[in-house]
Amino acid sequence: NAGVTQTPKFRILKIGQSMTLQCTQDMNHNYMYWYRQDPGMGLKLIYYSVGAGITDKGEVPNGYNVSRSTTEDFPLRLELAAPSQTSVYFCASGRQGASGANVLTFGAGSRLTVL
Amino acid sequence: DAKTTQPPSMDCAEGRAANLPCNHSTISGNEYVYWYRQIHSQGPQYIIHGLKNNETNEMASLIITEDRKSSTLILPHATLRDTAVYYCIVRATTTSGTYKYIFGTGTRLKVLA
Repeated sequence: NAGVTQTPKFRILKIGQSMTLQCTQDMNHNYMYWYRQDPGMGLKLIYYSVGAGITDKGEVPNGYNVSRSTTEDFPLRLELAAPSQTSVYFCASGRQGASGANVLTFGAGSRLTVL
Repeated sequence: DAKTTQPPSMDCAEGRAANLPCNHSTISGNEYVYWYRQIHSQGPQYIIHGLKNNETNEMASLIITEDRKSSTLILPHATLRDTAVYYCIVRATTTSGTYKYIFGTGTRLKVLA
């Protein structure tokens, strides 16, 4: 199994450009999450999804959009890139277990720089 | 959302046990405590989770106090490869019954040779 795959690994954007960070998981997980991590800081939740067609905002959703048309894919879109969105972005997925626990598997991250 | 408080940094001698504390005084009765770690800039890696009872797996042990307001992650024999940032997380349940995971700033553990 590939687990959680994120593309691209690195990207440089100019202010005002748009782009989509891709996230795919092959574990048939219902939950998927997008986090950002600024240098020296912890992870901040951007958006999450509990299944196809269902998404919800996290702590820092402004400037981002998501969609979940399939169980496997959860892309994150930046419409008008700003320097404040320079960060490392992590996608994660998890399955709600019968015990009530939900262990997350993270991707390797996408490093985005906005100049 | 339940918040967690962790010391910003700790040192541990190689081969010794590393005990990482976490306070989660606002945890509700059915919420799990999770521990993840992040080595360098890699994606966080799951370590262990628990609800009420102490838990142990091949990586670590988790001790949860009886009132569930705090917990301790124990790495029994720390190695240099355990140098990482360790995050204690309490899963938040939304009003619609879904789950989200709010990370704090974690504890930066440095294992010394």
